[in-house]
Amino acid sequence: GEDVEQSLFLSVREGDSSVINCTYTDSSSTYLYWYKQEPGAGLQLLTYIFSNMDMKQDQRLTVLLNKKDKHLSLRIADTQTGDSAIYFCAERVSSASKIIFGSGTRLSIRP
Amino acid sequence: ETGVTQSPTHLIKTRGQQVTLRCSSQSGHNTVSWYQQALGQGPQFIFQYYREEENGRGNFPPRFSGLQFPNYSSELNVNALELDDSALYLCASSDGNQPQHFGDGTRLSIL
Repeated sequence: GEDVEQSLFLSVREGDSSVINCTYTDSSSTYLYWYKQEPGAGLQLLTYIFSNMDMKQDQRLTVLLNKKDKHLSLRIADTQTGDSAIYFCAERVSSASKIIFGSGTRLSIRP
Repeated sequence: ETGVTQSPTHLIKTRGQQVTLRCSSQSGHNTVSWYQQALGQGPQFIFQYYREEENGRGNFPPRFSGLQFPNYSSELNVNALELDDSALYLCASSDGNQPQHFGDGTRLSIL
């Protein structure tokens, strides 16, 4: 089946690293994505990783993929107040044109 | 480069009515996907259009229909509106297998 799961909430102190975790079920996933959604807005593509990669780094963002365990994580270094948002993990399966989204993780930043 | 634009931004309808939502794809993108995002949930795939043909459909009833035009813009039509159709409707465009880029959505409220 197709399912993407994420924890609902994460709270971190400003300046610390945030790690958002995600698990997925479809082993035929080709691409895995992280999107950010701020209040009242659409989804902003943050980064993505192809399924044959283990890691991708883009400035403050690091994506780790464990394909054996079907586990994806997003690390945000030096978390800032502007990083407060809902973060969605998503997968694209090879047999379909659709993207399957998790329910989102709400990241809040403490001073 | 113009991003994905959606109209209207907000809409209020009553049960049984029909609605048309519009989306202009990002320049150079030939594929448009529509998603429904209920409050507190991740987006759910409705369908995708590629070169004016439906190219995949999610678990939505036939009263959800769409069109894509030669300039790759798209419409989502929903007939016989129900209270549960209240949601944020997101349009995303892409070029082939590249990641999907989202508009800010249309918030539809059914009374």
